[in-house]
Order: sequence, then C-alpha cells, then structure tokens
Amino acid sequence: DAKTTQPPSMDCAEGRAANLPCNHSTISGNEYVYWYRQIHSQGPQYIIHGLKNNETNEMASLIITEDRKSSTLILPHATLRDTAVYYCIVGRTTDSWGKLQFGAGTQVVVTP
Amino acid sequence: DADVTQTPRNRITKTGKRIMLECSQTKGHDRMYWYRQDPGLGLRLIYYSFDVKDINKGEISDGYSVSRQAQAKFSLSLESAIPNQTALYFCATSETTDTQYFGPGTRLTVL
Repeated sequence: DAKTTQPPSMDCAEGRAANLPCNHSTISGNEYVYWYRQIHSQGPQYIIHGLKNNETNEMASLIITEDRKSSTLILPHATLRDTAVYYCIVGRTTDSWGKLQFGAGTQVVVTP
Repeated sequence: DADVTQTPRNRITKTGKRIMLECSQTKGHDRMYWYRQDPGLGLRLIYYSFDVKDINKGEISDGYSVSRQAQAKFSLSLESAIPNQTALYFCATSETTDTQYFGPGTRLTVL
C-alpha cells in the first residue's frame, strides 16, 4: 500500500487559507487520496477524498497533481476550531478491502 | 444522539484483568473497525469486520479478540490486559472505505 509523507506541523492565521501538503509518490492507479482530521483526542472526522480530479465540499478542497504523486488539502478560511491533526491517507475502495492506514499526520494550529 | 457510541469512555484496570470495550452504531453500516492510538502516533487497526459473519485481523491483533454480536454491535476484548495496551481506542463504521465514522473513543489505562 502506498505511504504518505506530511509535514509534522504548521501554523495558520485565523481567516486565512490553510494549505496542507501531502506526498504519495508510490500511489497506484486504483488508490484514492483521503483526508481526515482529529481534534484533540476526539474520534477522527472524514473531510474529503479524491482519485484524480480536484474535489470540493463544504469543509475543504482537495487538489491532486496530474501525476497523482502529491496533493494539497485547502481549508479556505481557517477558524480556531480547525486546530487539529490532519491525516492524508491513500487506500482502495473495493468490496473486499476497507482498511485505512493512518500515519502521524500534520498538527495544524490556527492562531487568532 | 451520536451515530457511533463507545462504552466505557474511560477505564482503569490492572494487569491480567479481562476487559471488554463495546461499540454500537445506528448508521446501519455493515463494516466496523477497532483502532488504537498511542500518544503522538496515528491510529493502528486492530480488527475489522465487513459483516456479522466476517472478522479479520488488522496490523496489531495480538492480545485482542473481537465479537460481532449483531450488525450494530462490535466488541473488543483484552483477555489479559498488560500495561502496553494502555491507549486510546476508537471504533469506526463505514459503508465503503470512503467515509469512516468514528466513535468518541475509550481511554484505557492498564496499571
């Protein structure tokens, strides 16, 4: 399974866009990119996922490079409640395999 | 009410004791998972179940067992707890891998 590399931490000013990078250079053709976040000791929360095309929902946007070796999660207007650990995960959506490998993630701190 | 609930939320026990952590979900999902999280680390999968008759080991199943009593219930047992099983435990459910819904977690301390 493809592994991901994320920076251990980053800061962001409240109201500004937060751009979270993720490298997944060994991603295979049938693997999706997922993003989850975990607010201090709470259960992780799904944010967004994508395969090739850029995706947007009410929480965030996901930009995947054309070669699919990296992606960026964008929180368009960060708030203090967005302070959390953000996990970038690659995995397959099949009927017989449903495991997500969580790494160490990026600790994002949003400051006033 | 929460879609995924875990009981107990906190538990302190002694080495050698048998412990059961329970998970219930109201989302109607077939797939359920148990993860553990250690300080500063990501989540690691212990066991997963794709339906009531299907149980699979994850990456760290040694020392743990599970029971899928019904579609909505998935229990994790520590037959003989040891201190290095002190961790935060999460249950999750999903229809596919696209979105896993996590419970609030159980903080377990083994003395």
